[in-house]
Amino acid sequence: DGGITQSPKYLFRKEGQNVTLSCEQNLNHDAMYWYRQDPGQGLRLIYYSQIVNDFQKGDIAEGYSVSREKKESFPLTVTSAQKNPTAFYLCASTPRGGNEQYFGPGTRLTVT
Amino acid sequence: GENVEQHPSTLSVQEGDSAVIKCTYSDSASNYFPWYKQELGKRPQLIIDIRSNVGEKKDQRIAVTLNKTAKHFSLHITETQPEDSAVYFCAASKYDYKLSFGAGTTVTVRA
Repeated sequence: DGGITQSPKYLFRKEGQNVTLSCEQNLNHDAMYWYRQDPGQGLRLIYYSQIVNDFQKGDIAEGYSVSREKKESFPLTVTSAQKNPTAFYLCASTPRGGNEQYFGPGTRLTVT
Repeated sequence: GENVEQHPSTLSVQEGDSAVIKCTYSDSASNYFPWYKQELGKRPQLIIDIRSNVGEKKDQRIAVTLNKTAKHFSLHITETQPEDSAVYFCAASKYDYKLSFGAGTTVTVRA
């Protein structure tokens, strides 16, 4: 299961705190994505980045922020402005010109 | 944006029977339709995909069909086995890199 990694696997935070989820890939992929997965709702796109130093909002970007300073890394910060942050977060990547999205193992975030 | 609807939300089949999952999409410009399988506690993995210039694609026991006119596509699994039990997601995209996913179908294969 190498290639794209996420850490930690489980994360617990108190309400009002910002938290950063890590996503690293050694596949030399250009594009990276963050999805949120909730029961019965499939995967919803938060942010995506096609190249270093550039990223775009997805369908549910409010309350989240990202950076893409290195090709290998695409961290996601869940801010205190996100109203319902408890969810399973998946990172993915695709090679240049490629179609298939390769997913990381995910981080389950619980905010109480 | 693109809206993808997926049915049914749950599907229980007897081992050896076929399973069919259907998805509809809203944007007629969508041209790429992948299917992902997510086993319990694991990451989603691509199992098959189809482009809008193809009507059907098959890979061993799985096949996908696409009806561009009706804007729907389906996943067919034949001779189901216990290891086919998982959540299946359809998706649609206009530019390959930005996918819109359906809500998922939980498939249970009864032994």
